[in-house]
Amino acid sequence: QKEVEQDPGPLSVPEGAIVSLNCTYSNSAFQYFMWYRQYSRKGPELLMYTYSSGNKEDGRFTAQVDKSSKYISLFIRDSQPSDSATYLCALARYSGGGADGLTFGKGTHLIIQP
Amino acid sequence: DAGVIQSPRHEVTEMGQEVTLRCKPISGHDYLFWYRQTMMRGLELLIYFNNNVPIDDSGMPEDRFSAKMPNASFSTLKIQPSEPRDSAVYFCASRPVSDTQYFGPGTRLTVL
Repeated sequence: QKEVEQDPGPLSVPEGAIVSLNCTYSNSAFQYFMWYRQYSRKGPELLMYTYSSGNKEDGRFTAQVDKSSKYISLFIRDSQPSDSATYLCALARYSGGGADGLTFGKGTHLIIQP
Repeated sequence: DAGVIQSPRHEVTEMGQEVTLRCKPISGHDYLFWYRQTMMRGLELLIYFNNNVPIDDSGMPEDRFSAKMPNASFSTLKIQPSEPRDSAVYFCASRPVSDTQYFGPGTRLTVL
């Protein structure tokens, strides 16, 4: 079993829809939870970063972490065509100075149809 | 700030040649990470440094790979000899203490 599981998609939704992206993980040592967005032929770009269970909101994006179920989600409200990209969940352990190296899901390819 | 800088952006080489990838982290960031991304395996951590010292190199695939960080503003990832299965996008990332990582644009390596 991989440490982090993420459905690769593609996930195609109409503009304006609410998008739900999810990852599950198996190792309870993960304490940091992140979502990155990656456009084609670009580096990953940080969207959300949290280290506690519960919800964190930033504009149209909401990250949700459920440590008891080892399940993390990213919700995108009022989705736009510019949101079309690959979304990667990333998890990390604590290493004294903060988060350790990241363990990534395979990424979900999201397509927002105009 | 210019962000994490990587060079070259593209590299095409022949099997058996030595390849050197370069990274300049964001100024003031104490941690530097090297990742590799392929279609089959996704993004994988290769090695990371704290204050120029390698902390975890368990992701380095084999002895053909080596990484150095001679000072706080420069790191290299070397592959010698290169093989076709090393073809991938190699990312460098950096972070300050108690914050998350910021990625460079990547180096796309093709080994023929």
